[in-house]
Amino acid sequence: AQSVTQLDSQVPVFEEAPVELRCNYSSSVSVYLFWYVQYPNQGLQLLLKYLSGSTLVKGINGFEAEFNKSQTSFHLRKPSVHISDTAEYFCAVRPDTGRRALTFGSGTRLQVQP
Amino acid sequence: EAGVAQSPRYKIIEKRQSVAFWCNPISGHATLYWYQQILGQGPKLLIQFQNNGVVDDSQLPKDRFSAERLKGVDSTLKIQPAKLEDSAVYLCASSTGTGGHYGYTFGSGTRLTVV
Repeated sequence: AQSVTQLDSQVPVFEEAPVELRCNYSSSVSVYLFWYVQYPNQGLQLLLKYLSGSTLVKGINGFEAEFNKSQTSFHLRKPSVHISDTAEYFCAVRPDTGRRALTFGSGTRLQVQP
Repeated sequence: EAGVAQSPRYKIIEKRQSVAFWCNPISGHATLYWYQQILGQGPKLLIQFQNNGVVDDSQLPKDRFSAERLKGVDSTLKIQPAKLEDSAVYLCASSTGTGGHYGYTFGSGTRLTVV
């Protein structure tokens, strides 16, 4: 079984400042990793995903994440945030084989202040 | 490409009543998922279908929840009878094949309030 830990439930940050949202996972097998964003009253939108290859993954809206296998982490970063980035962010994992669904973390609320 | 369609968007019912949610996945997506998202938590898988067969329903409270995917396309999730703790957003998602490479597309969800 897999589990995902997002230690920060809320992250307040000022506009144009950098931000890092932390994600750690636990799994006995190799995994694929995902970050999703959820705006109020909307479904989940894929930001980026790591399947294999380069450990630095670039996604939409200027976000990127780095996979660190030894630390079992997949932290999300953005060098300069905008007010419009205010949303809930979810880290998710699934095994890299088989027909498995995503396991999500509890989410991090990014609050960008002017 | 049309997204994953869900209806209704909102539903308010009294406890012990029954309710049903509908999902229409992206055309051609073989795998369909129902997730429950309680306020302040991440989505939790309820059931996964591959075409019209169940792959994983280990976290589905089968005494009150049921789901079906007739003809491998649309799906319906039912709760009968509802409890207060069933208040949540119910998300439907679909993916091609195993989903790993192509990602998962989520619907906007149905927000259920049980009073």
